[in-house]
Amino acid sequence: NAGVTQTPKFQVLKTGQSMTLQCAQDMNHEYMSWYRQDPGMGLRLIHYSVGAGITDQGEVPNGYNVSRSTTEDFPLRLLSAAPSQTSVYFCASSYSFRQITEAFFGQGTRLTVV
Amino acid sequence: GEDVEQSLFLSVREGDSSVINCTYTDSSSTYLYWYKQEPGAGLQLLTYIFSNMDMKQDQRLTVLLNKKDKHLSLRIADTQTGDSAIYFCAEEGAGTALIFGKGTTLSVSS
Repeated sequence: NAGVTQTPKFQVLKTGQSMTLQCAQDMNHEYMSWYRQDPGMGLRLIHYSVGAGITDQGEVPNGYNVSRSTTEDFPLRLLSAAPSQTSVYFCASSYSFRQITEAFFGQGTRLTVV
Repeated sequence: GEDVEQSLFLSVREGDSSVINCTYTDSSSTYLYWYKQEPGAGLQLLTYIFSNMDMKQDQRLTVLLNKKDKHLSLRIADTQTGDSAIYFCAEEGAGTALIFGKGTTLSVSS
């Protein structure tokens, strides 16, 4: 099992560019989510998905789109990058067993928007 | 709304006990969690506690839960330099997404 794989690990974008952060998991987890981590702000939920074909907004969804066409993949799209989107992005997949939710995180994507 | 609060920094000496505190808002959370983030890595589940329990012990880790005050703490006994990391408490949000606190950076000096 590779777990949760995020690509790329680092990215620099110019303001206004678009890009997609990839996230794949091979654990057959139904639940996947995207967080951004900023200094002093902790992790904030951007979007999440409870299964293929179902997505919903988290705390900070503006400027980001997601889709979930398969169980394995949950890409995060930045349509028009802004400097405020400079952050470290984490993808997580989760499963629930007897109501305990364990989230498995990718290694993160460090994004800089100039 | 949901909000999880933690102090941002804690500094201890090797061998001492560390206590990291957290307050949460969602009393409907069935479980509460502690995650650990080592430098340059994602978060990993450290331990969790069922909301009907007051205490859970797991080797060097002790989790205390005061449900009335919505206060959660993590005690690390005999803290080692390898325990230096950021510790996040988390409650359950919508769709099994977790709501994390801002994280407490634990610094252990030898």
